[in-house]
Parts: sequence; structure tokens; C-alpha cells
Amino acid sequence: DAGVTQSPTHLIKTRGQQVTLRCSPISGHKSVSWYQQVLGQGPQFIFQYYEKEERGRGNFPDRFSARQFPNYSSELNVNALLLGDSALYLCASSYLITGSYEQYFGPGTRLTVT
Amino acid sequence: AQSVTQPDIHITVSEGASLELRCNYSYGATPYLFWYVQSPGQGLQLLLKYFSGDTLVQGIKGFEAEFKRSQSSFNLRKPSVHWSDAAEYFCAAVYGGATNKLIFGTGTLLAVQP
Repeated sequence: DAGVTQSPTHLIKTRGQQVTLRCSPISGHKSVSWYQQVLGQGPQFIFQYYEKEERGRGNFPDRFSARQFPNYSSELNVNALLLGDSALYLCASSYLITGSYEQYFGPGTRLTVT
Repeated sequence: AQSVTQPDIHITVSEGASLELRCNYSYGATPYLFWYVQSPGQGLQLLLKYFSGDTLVQGIKGFEAEFKRSQSSFNLRKPSVHWSDAAEYFCAAVYGGATNKLIFGTGTLLAVQP
């Protein structure tokens, strides 16, 4: 079975530009979460979506937005990119969002902002 | 505040030696606890998890972890380290049963000497 997939693998953008990252969850999983991992740090929670509704938002500015589609795939959008947005963006999927359901991570998208 | 602490940023062990990586979670209701491993440039792979019950949990790749409520700890152990274990290890917690949003520690980078 395919795991969580993310695209693109790598991305280079310029300050002020906008970027869209994509994630496909494991088949049958209804929830997608997004995390930002800055070099040398642990992942930080950005968003969680379940059944196309936002169920959680981390401490990130409004430049960050996301959505989930009927097929449960998801996009993360970041507007007005800053140098500090350079990071590995991880997507995770789970069947449900209650605490006992573990999350499975994709390989991530490496975003570099110059 | 809900948090996870990994006191050791970097650890070096010799191949064949035993390993213990420390993790402490903020006190309060016992969270669900996880250990993930991340190889360079890769996503996160779940090693093991603790929800309740037996405080010694077994995971993949020969890893185990022990939950100690009195110390708010969930330390990861392996009796004999292999060179392929070199990676970054993250302890994470889920607080509350209504969400599986992960709170990560800052990670411990493990180097293995031949």
C-alpha cells in the first residue's frame, strides 16, 4: 500500500512569492495534518483537517492556509514568503483524529526561500 | 504549557553499545507518547507508542521505551546499537483524547562510531 505522498520534493522560491504544497494521505485515512520543521528543531504543528473541515490550527500567521479535498488530499498554501519560511514541510495522515490514532508521515517538501 | 523536552541534543555511541535517549513531558494528564526516527532528508517513522497499560513498550528495529509516571519520562532504549541507527530521534506527545495533534521535542541526533 502507498504511504503518504507529498509533492514537490524540493522547491526554491523568492521572498514575497506564494507556494502550494500537496499531500495525498494513506488510502482510507480521513485526516491530514501539516507540520513545519525548521533545521535543527522538532516539527511544529500548523493545521489539521478532518472530513474537509479545519480541526486545529497552530501558532502560524494568516499567510499560511490549507484545505482538504473530497478525496481527502490536501494543499498547504503560504503567501508572501519570508526567509524564515524555509523549512521541511511534513504532511501526516490518520484514519481519525482522536488521540489513539497515530499519524503517518510523508517524506516532506523541502522549501527554500531566497 | 504542554511540552516535550529532550535534554540531549547530540549523543555519540560506539557500535554495539547500549543506548538510552531521554524524554520528559510536561506534567498533568498523561499524554499518549511516541518516539519517531528521522533519517537525513527523510520523513518521520514511528518506532513505538505508549497509550496505557504495560509501561515497557516494544517497538520496531529492536527499540523499547519505558514510561515512568513519577518522573514524567518516556526514555528510549536499545541494548546494542547498529551503525544504521544513526539518525535523529524525536519524542512526541498527544495531549487530550479529542485530537491527535503531536507536540514534538527538539530531537536528539545520534551518531554511531565504528
